[in-house]
Amino acid sequence: RKEVEQDPGPFNVPEGATVAFNCTYSNSASQSFFWYRQDCRKEPKLLMSVYSSGNEDGRFTAQLNRASQYISLLIRDSKLSDSATYLCVVDSWGKFQFGAGTQVVVTP
Amino acid sequence: GAGVSQSPSNKVTEKGKDVELRCDPISGHTALYWYRQSLGQGLEFLIYFQGNSAPDKSGLPSDRFSAERTGGSVSTLTIQRTQQEDSAVYLCASNRMQGYEQYFGPGTRLTVT
Repeated sequence: RKEVEQDPGPFNVPEGATVAFNCTYSNSASQSFFWYRQDCRKEPKLLMSVYSSGNEDGRFTAQLNRASQYISLLIRDSKLSDSATYLCVVDSWGKFQFGAGTQVVVTP
Repeated sequence: GAGVSQSPSNKVTEKGKDVELRCDPISGHTALYWYRQSLGQGLEFLIYFQGNSAPDKSGLPSDRFSAERTGGSVSTLTIQRTQQEDSAVYLCASNRMQGYEQYFGPGTRLTVT
């Protein structure tokens, strides 16, 4: 079983719609959680950190559920530029575990 | 400020040759990571340096792979006797300390012919 699992998608989303997806992790001792975005043939870039109380950054909302060991990302009012692969990242004592990514395709 | 830099950006080499890939982390970042990513695949952890501690080499796929970090800053990943399956993008990342987000360099695209 992989330490971090994500639905690979693709999630096909009409422009302006809302999309949400989850990521599950297996190590209950994990400390820090992040969402990264990766565009085709580019390096991953930090989208946002995920805090225990949940946090929002503009159109993006992240949630952490420690009891069920998952994190989620919600994108509101999707833009064409949101098309990318979203990587769930879990940090366990300095060792980062990456999910394989969820592909989001926003269509006009 | 300056981000993570990597060189070369592209490297084409013949099977059996050795290659060296370089990473310059963000100044002041104590941790440095190497990953590789094959086309259409996720990130594969290779090695992790944290300050002066012994590196975590648990992700290195074979003894042909090695890495060092000099002076707590620049790191070099060396692949000896390259094989075609080594072809991938090699990504370096750094962070200021445990628990903080990583920042990635642009990667080195390695092609073994």
